[in-house]
Amino acid sequence: TQLLEQSPQFLSIQEGENLTVYCNSSSVFSSLQWYRQEPGEGPVLLVTVVTGGEVKKLKRLTFQFGDARKDSSLHITAAQPGDTGLYLCATDMGRRALTFGSGTRLQVQP
Amino acid sequence: NAGVTQTPKFRILKIGQSMTLQCAQDMNHNYMYWYRQDPGMGLKLIYYSVGAGITDKGEVPNGYNVSRSTTEDFPLRLELAAPSQTSVYFCASSSDVGSYNSPLHFGNGTRLTVT
Repeated sequence: TQLLEQSPQFLSIQEGENLTVYCNSSSVFSSLQWYRQEPGEGPVLLVTVVTGGEVKKLKRLTFQFGDARKDSSLHITAAQPGDTGLYLCATDMGRRALTFGSGTRLQVQP
Repeated sequence: NAGVTQTPKFRILKIGQSMTLQCAQDMNHNYMYWYRQDPGMGLKLIYYSVGAGITDKGEVPNGYNVSRSTTEDFPLRLELAAPSQTSVYFCASSSDVGSYNSPLHFGNGTRLTVT
């Protein structure tokens, strides 16, 4: 059973397009982190969301935490080839370690 | 800043061989983790440690062992390598878990193939 469901699994778009990826669970999150992983490297933290309904912006990336704290979304405006990578959401689920979703693999074609 | 350093970067093992994946961090973090990542997938937790001398199992601990004798080092041991252990292994560290100011810092991984 996957505690964190991410969708879509794979997304291939053209440069300049907008996109949204999702992270969902049947459990309530205490907090949620989004990471991006580039080929051959470890994941790097993009943002942490804590409060239900919270919206955070990181340049062209907008992160939203659901009001009930069971879901989150990442929206990218005007995607660029440099956005290519694996986007992972993660939460502690009340444990002393993070559980990761299976990720959304994004390919932005120039 | 070195951050989290993993060695080796690549390794090929024969079935039944053993090896130790090394992980060291220089950020004085109490929490350290081992994850594995199968092709096209997310990360699965193997073992973690909340401080020197304390370790605990994650989702997929079978076939692995860990020790944490110092704050800096968290080696992962494979005793009898099996093809199912072919994966990329990531070590990570953090000052806390899941909270606002405690991201996981990852190494660049060890790519292991068991044939």
